[in-house]
Amino acid sequence: GAGVSQSPRYKVAKRGQDVALRCDPISGHVSLFWYQQALGQGPEFLTYFQNEAQLDKSGLPSDRFFAERPEGSVSTLKIQRTQQEDSAVYLCASTKAGDGTDTQYFGPGTRLTVL
Amino acid sequence: RKEVEQDPGPFNVPEGATVAFNCTYSNSASQSFFWYRQDCRKEPKLLMSVYSSGNEDGRFTAQLNRASQYISLLIRDSKLSDSATYLCVATSAGGTSYGKLTFGQGTILTVHP
Repeated sequence: GAGVSQSPRYKVAKRGQDVALRCDPISGHVSLFWYQQALGQGPEFLTYFQNEAQLDKSGLPSDRFFAERPEGSVSTLKIQRTQQEDSAVYLCASTKAGDGTDTQYFGPGTRLTVL
Repeated sequence: RKEVEQDPGPFNVPEGATVAFNCTYSNSASQSFFWYRQDCRKEPKLLMSVYSSGNEDGRFTAQLNRASQYISLLIRDSKLSDSATYLCVATSAGGTSYGKLTFGQGTILTVHP
């Protein structure tokens, strides 16, 4: 029973670089969420997938942020031309169902630092 | 104004103390509420759900007041291991909603010997 895994755990990028963050949800989980957690704040919603469909991307802060889940399992969050304000922990969560009634299980997060 | 607001603390209490955290939410469409616990540099983990009738789990009691849009968490007989950040969470779940979580800022608790 592996949980949600994320890689890399830590990423340091120079301003302007592109980064890709990976999330492996629990096997068979339909729903996948990405959240961004800035230092001293609670997580904030970025985007939601139900299987391979991205049903909500209202939380993505700019068009530099892009997420995909092409086969309905692994998801990648890509940030282009990183800025210092992108420094945060990026959390992925998954749930078995697609109706929001199940507990969300979080991965350990990727800590992104943009210099 | 944030959709879910908490007193960020920090709360510093001795072992054995009783401590209460409060939270308010502004979206009256919110249907489900939770308290999550987050240890330093770890992911959030569900502590307990919150119901209007109250919910007790050992030393922890959570309460929801829908009329006031207010949520509380009471921790009795605090242990050193209770030291963490406690996150108040609201969501719309069920039906056509998929359960996006809206988090408060978090309340930091430190229990000292």
